[in-house]
Amino acid sequence: AQTVTQSQPEMSVQEAETVTLSCTYDTSESDYYLFWYKQPPSRQMILVIRQEAYKQQNATENRFSVNFQKAAKSFSLKISDSQLGDAAMYFCAYITDDKIIFGKGTRLHILP
Amino acid sequence: GAGVSQTPSNKVTEKGKYVELRCDPISGHTALYWYRQSLGQGPEFLIYFQGTGAADDSGLPNDRFFAVRPEGSVSTLKIQRTERGDSAVYLCASSFDRDQPQHFGDGTRLSIL
Repeated sequence: AQTVTQSQPEMSVQEAETVTLSCTYDTSESDYYLFWYKQPPSRQMILVIRQEAYKQQNATENRFSVNFQKAAKSFSLKISDSQLGDAAMYFCAYITDDKIIFGKGTRLHILP
Repeated sequence: GAGVSQTPSNKVTEKGKYVELRCDPISGHTALYWYRQSLGQGPEFLIYFQGTGAADDSGLPNDRFFAVRPEGSVSTLKIQRTERGDSAVYLCASSFDRDQPQHFGDGTRLSIL
């Protein structure tokens, strides 16, 4: 069965520093999509970044980038130049034609 | 433009009652999803609509849960004979297609007393 594991329940990073959130998944599929979503205290989930499994190039969106290691089934999120507004729960998600699975999340604290 | 709208934002009801939760997706989004999120957990998939049809309802926990999307736009999640364990935030999301980013609503916090 497919699973998504976020092994860090909480993390803290100093403002302006870089932090990496880990996500691993278990699957026998070769075609799937991976996402990182952010959920601030306001509750609304917001897309951070998307990666297609067939693309070897790591996705990047401004200060957010991923390290996608397909063979290792790893999909970590790197946040550069952390800002106070980055404080939130971060969820990794795995989606195929017949499965949608979210991890349990990592709570990120930004220290001023 | 308008995002995904969910009503009510909060719902408190007694055990055994029937509840309906509504979701207005983004216009033009054919895919619509319902999730349940318990405290400290990630969203748990419930059901996925492509247009009017439920393409995947494998996440519905039991037959007390049902969802419809009769005209391919607004969707209603219906819970019969509510139980205290149904208390959670129910999230709705929509997207252009299943492999595209989902846009989420603010959720409905359901509390069963």
